[in-house]
Amino acid sequence: LAKTTQPISMDSYEGQEVNITCSHNNIATNDYITWYQQFPSQGPRFIIQGYKTKVTNEVASLFIPADRKSSTLSLPRVSLSDTAVYYCLVVGGSQGNLIFGKGTKLSVKP
Amino acid sequence: NAGVMQNPRHLVRRRGQEARLRCSPMKGHSHVYWYRQLPEEGLKFMVYLQKENIIDESGMPKERFSAEFPKEGPSILRIQQVVRGDSAAYFCASSPETYQETQYFGPGTRLLVL
Repeated sequence: LAKTTQPISMDSYEGQEVNITCSHNNIATNDYITWYQQFPSQGPRFIIQGYKTKVTNEVASLFIPADRKSSTLSLPRVSLSDTAVYYCLVVGGSQGNLIFGKGTKLSVKP
Repeated sequence: NAGVMQNPRHLVRRRGQEARLRCSPMKGHSHVYWYRQLPEEGLKFMVYLQKENIIDESGMPKERFSAEFPKEGPSILRIQQVVRGDSAAYFCASSPETYQETQYFGPGTRLLVL
């Protein structure tokens, strides 16, 4: 099972771009990289998923280098409401469950 | 299209009582997952079910915990003889036809054992 490593916390200011990098050295060929966002007292919310290169949606971008051993979640122009915990997960293979680490606690300041 | 529904949102039990947590998956989703989260921790997988079948219960404590997903009705996570250590947030997620598709989470049930 691929394990992920990401910073415990990050601080930013409104309007800045935030990049959160995740390491997943043991990622398997069939695995996808998935990011979730969790606000206090709420369930995790799916943000973005990718396999390689770059994926972009209305919320974020996900950059994955060719070796796929890491990935970077990019949040453009963050606002105070982006303050949350962000989880990087590797999904796929034969298991159905998601393996969550402690995530990255992002604090956006005015 | 309603999301994953969980109830109750908050549940208070005394030690030794039973707790029943319910989860209704998103419409069209046949896979249900239960996770537990302690304060300041990530979610920990407990059990993965399809209709009338338990697929993976490797994260479930061996005693006092059980789960079901009947043909009709919501999935139920049942905790018998609760202890204070069972106090946590319990999240349910659902996914469509295959487990490799994105899981969508409910708002959770916060269980407090007095």
